Amino acid sequence: NAGVMQNPRHLVRRRGQEARLRCSPMKGHSHVYWYRQLPEEGLKFMVYLQKENIIDESGMPKERFSAEFPKEGPSILRIQQVVRGDSAAYFCASSLRTGINTEAFFGQGTRLTVV
Amino acid sequence: QKEVEQDPGPLSVPEGAIVSLNCTYSNSVFQYFMWYRQYSRKGPELLMYTYSSGNKEDGRFTAQVDKSSKYISLFIRDSQPSDSATYLCAMRGGGADGLTFGKGTHLIIQP
Repeated sequence: NAGVMQNPRHLVRRRGQEARLRCSPMKGHSHVYWYRQLPEEGLKFMVYLQKENIIDESGMPKERFSAEFPKEGPSILRIQQVVRGDSAAYFCASSLRTGINTEAFFGQGTRLTVV
Repeated sequence: QKEVEQDPGPLSVPEGAIVSLNCTYSNSVFQYFMWYRQYSRKGPELLMYTYSSGNKEDGRFTAQVDKSSKYISLFIRDSQPSDSATYLCAMRGGGADGLTFGKGTHLIIQP
């Protein structure tokens, strides 16, 4: 049973390009969370999705960022017109269910560098 | 004041020592507390979780929660060089879906 799979592991984009980060949850998990980790900062919650639905996007920047979790395929975090400040590690986590006592398992992350 | 405060370290201790890692929080809605370990360039790995005040033990690790003081701790006994990593506290509550993390403490166990 593979863990949470994220790809690519490393992504380099020039300013103004688009970045697409993919996350395949653990088998049987239908809840996906995206977090961002800036240098010298802790993990910050961005968005929570279930299949085909965005449940909580309270941590997402208002512009340029979007997320989806289609019925088939991985969850995608999309960043349009990237800027240097978007350089960070982006982590995806998945869980079997929702609720306060839910365990979330993290992937290895995608390290985005904007040049 | 940040919601979760955690000393970033680095904390350097000799092999075999008992390690104490701590977080304080300000929001009383937090009810569920976790500790994650993160090796360099890797994803966070869940170590322990607990809901209630008191102690929870798992092998060499003990998690302690004091809700009245809004203070949580992770103790590592018989520390090993392989324990060298960044330790993140995290918590959830108040209907939020995401976890709120501390910045992490960088721990170094000297052989």
